[in-house]
Order: sequence, then C-alpha cells, then structure tokens
Amino acid sequence: NAGVTQTPKFQVLKTGQSMTLQCAQDMNHEYMSWYRQDPGMGLRLIHYSVGAGITDQGEVPNGYNVSRSTTEDFPLRLLSAAPSQTSVYFCASSYSSTNYGYTFGSGTRLTVV
Amino acid sequence: KNQVEQSPQSLIILEGKNCTLQCNYTVSPFSNLRWYKQDTGRGPVSLTIMTFSENTKSNGRYTATLDADTKQSSLHITASQLSDSASYICVVSHLTGGGNKLTFGTGTQLKVEL
Repeated sequence: NAGVTQTPKFQVLKTGQSMTLQCAQDMNHEYMSWYRQDPGMGLRLIHYSVGAGITDQGEVPNGYNVSRSTTEDFPLRLLSAAPSQTSVYFCASSYSSTNYGYTFGSGTRLTVV
Repeated sequence: KNQVEQSPQSLIILEGKNCTLQCNYTVSPFSNLRWYKQDTGRGPVSLTIMTFSENTKSNGRYTATLDADTKQSSLHITASQLSDSASYICVVSHLTGGGNKLTFGTGTQLKVEL
C-alpha cells in the first residue's frame, strides 16, 4: 500500500515554462487536494476534487489547473511558471472532506528562477 | 476571517520531558480540529481528529484536548523522544457550501535534545 505518491520530488523551472506535478493514490479515496506550503504560512489549498470528473478551486488557484479523469490520479499543471510559485507542493487524499484524516504525499519542492 | 494561531513558534526540550503545544482558532462554523506531525522534508501525518463533542483524544504518547467554548486546543506530548522532533500543525475544519474546508496553523517547531 503506497498511499499518496508525488513526482517529482524536486524540480527547477525557468520563468514561463510549464509542467505537471503528478499525484496518485491507491486507497480508493474520493477526495483529493493540492496544497502549497510557504515559509511562515500555513498550508494553502490550491484545488480540490470530490471525485472523478469533479474539481473546484481552493484559496490560491491562479496559475494552476487540475483535472481528475480517474479516482487514482490528480495532476496539478503550472501553465506559465512564475517565481511566486516557488514553494513546496503537497497532494492529499481522504475518504471525504469531513471527519477523516488526510493522507499527504511527501511533497514536491519547486523552484522557479 | 478564519484563523488558526499556534504557540509557541518553536520549542526545545530534553528527551524524556513532557511538553504542551497550544492552538487558538477563530474558525466558524466549526466542524473538527486536527493535529498533524510534519517531519522535515516530509508530508504532514495525522495524529488526532476531534469533533465538537470530543474534548480529549489520545494517540500513544500524544494527547489532544479541545475546548470548543473558548476555541482552544492543546497537544500534550508525554515522555518525549528524539523522533518527536518535528513541526506540529493544528488544523481546523469549517463547514462551507462546498463541504469542509481546512485552515492550517503555521506550526510549532519542536526539537528534542539529549
């Protein structure tokens, strides 16, 4: 049981480049979400999904796109990377968004130069 | 505005000692409160979840308390170990039209020394 798997672990991008951060879970969780973690700030929600085919925006969605074609996968796309998107990104999944603990991936550290 | 404040920001204790971390929140309407442990370079790991009707919950040497009236929670760590060195994050869930949303605190950085 791998839990939540994120790839890559580290990435350096040039301003204006695009890329996709991968997230996969093998727990049959309906709820999946993407967060970013910046120094001195709590984790902030970027996008989330309550099931395959359903996505919605979180607190800081600008510059990011998501899709959910399967229950297992929830990729995060950076359309045109900016230095302000330098951060650590975490994918999380859960049975639902209510009273269940979230399982987090180990994170992707992204640097945009 | 929904906010979660944690104190202290950082803490150093000797191995074997106990410690208590604090969390105050202004999130409304309240759904549940969670404590997570985040090791350096890793994702957060859930320790406890408490709903409105629960005022204490334990997970091994970790005991969380909740006072929903004063909107305060604490995480007590008993007989600390070197492996307890991590950031401890308080997270409060509130109800919205789109389901539960989480507000994260900035964490308390705990270091356990010999």
